[in-house]
Amino acid sequence: AQTVTQSQPEMSVQEAETVTLSCTYDTSESDYYLFWYKQPPSRQMILVIRQEAYKQQNATENRFSVNFQKAAKSFSLKISDSQLGDAAMYFCAYRSWYNNNDMRFGAGTRLTVKP
Amino acid sequence: EPEVTQTPSHQVTQMGQEVILRCVPISNHLYFYWYRQILGQKVEFLVSFYNNEISEKSEIFDDQFSVERPDGSNFTLKIRSTKLEDSAMYFCASSTGGENQPQHFGDGTRLSIL
Repeated sequence: AQTVTQSQPEMSVQEAETVTLSCTYDTSESDYYLFWYKQPPSRQMILVIRQEAYKQQNATENRFSVNFQKAAKSFSLKISDSQLGDAAMYFCAYRSWYNNNDMRFGAGTRLTVKP
Repeated sequence: EPEVTQTPSHQVTQMGQEVILRCVPISNHLYFYWYRQILGQKVEFLVSFYNNEISEKSEIFDDQFSVERPDGSNFTLKIRSTKLEDSAMYFCASSTGGENQPQHFGDGTRLSIL
């Protein structure tokens, strides 16, 4: 079974600085999708960025980018120019290419942004 | 932008009572999901639903749970006889089901069992 590990329960960053959130996963599959979701205090889960495992190029979405290391099974999220609105829980998630139905989440990292 | 909506935002129920959590997925989506997040813990998959039947369910989704799409818009999660440990945030999600399409989540319903 696939597992997703986020080893940082909490992270803190100064406004305008850069922070990297870690995520590792375990799978025997060669094709899959990886996601980062943001859960602000308003509770809604918001998709931040996604990566297809077959793509070597790291996904980028404005101030958010990932460092996808397939061999190491690592999928970290970098937030550049951090803003107060980035404060939230961030969840890393894995979804099989072969089974769209099941998505596995990490435990989450709570990000605090200091003014 | 279309959203997944969930009602109520907070449900308080006595232990042993039945509870129904409601979700309205995005209208052109075909795949529907329920997830649970116990306070302070990770988001856990409960069940997926497609073509009016359960596609997959986790070990959490036991006989106390059921899902239904009673009409063309609602997707419900029923817990038959609630237990204290059912207290959690419950998230509904939907997707078009395409291989590279992400799931869109609702705001969640906080279920508190007394």
